Amino acid sequence: GQNIDQPTEMTATEGAIVQINCTYQTSGFNGLFWYQQHAGEAPTFLSYNVLDGLEEKGRFSSFLSRSKGYSYLLLKELQMKDSASYLCAVNYGGATNKLIFGTGTLLAVQP
Amino acid sequence: DSGVTQTPKHLITATGQRVTLRCSPRSGDLSVYWYQQSLDQGLQFLIQYYNGEERAKGNILERFSAQQFPDLHSELNLSSLELGDSALYFCASSVGTTGELFFGEGSRLTVL
Repeated sequence: GQNIDQPTEMTATEGAIVQINCTYQTSGFNGLFWYQQHAGEAPTFLSYNVLDGLEEKGRFSSFLSRSKGYSYLLLKELQMKDSASYLCAVNYGGATNKLIFGTGTLLAVQP
Repeated sequence: DSGVTQTPKHLITATGQRVTLRCSPRSGDLSVYWYQQSLDQGLQFLIQYYNGEERAKGNILERFSAQQFPDLHSELNLSSLELGDSALYFCASSVGTTGELFFGEGSRLTVL
């Protein structure tokens, strides 16, 4: 079966750094996505990791270790607008996207 | 704005009824995906179409069906609706069959 685990909720302070972890067990692996979703809105793309290592994009970075079935999303210089749900998704398909999403980590940024 | 358009944004209907949700992908995208998001669950993959043909199937109920038309827009048909079908239904699109998905704003279905 396919399984993705991420913490349900996290709280952090404005200006700080937060790391959101994601572990997965899937029948295949063809990349890992991170999406941001504000309540009642569409998920928006943050990052895509296919190979091991760290991908940096502005205040957001994402890390992948395929051997450990592990990824994390690092958010720096937190802003109030970063309060949202962060979804980890694994593409376990081969020639076509078959994404399984985690239930998301609800991040609350406090002043 | 992702460029993916979904209608209607909100829909309220009764049990046993049938509804159709519509999605227009981003210009140039050939793949369309449908996802269901309930309050207590994450995004559940329903079905994917690529250039008019069904490409992958997820946990889509037999009461649900979808299609992608020659102009690449897609429709998700939900029939014999039950209370448990109340959810946000998202459409997403991608250029090919792999890579980044762009999500629409969703259609919120409430079954009373």
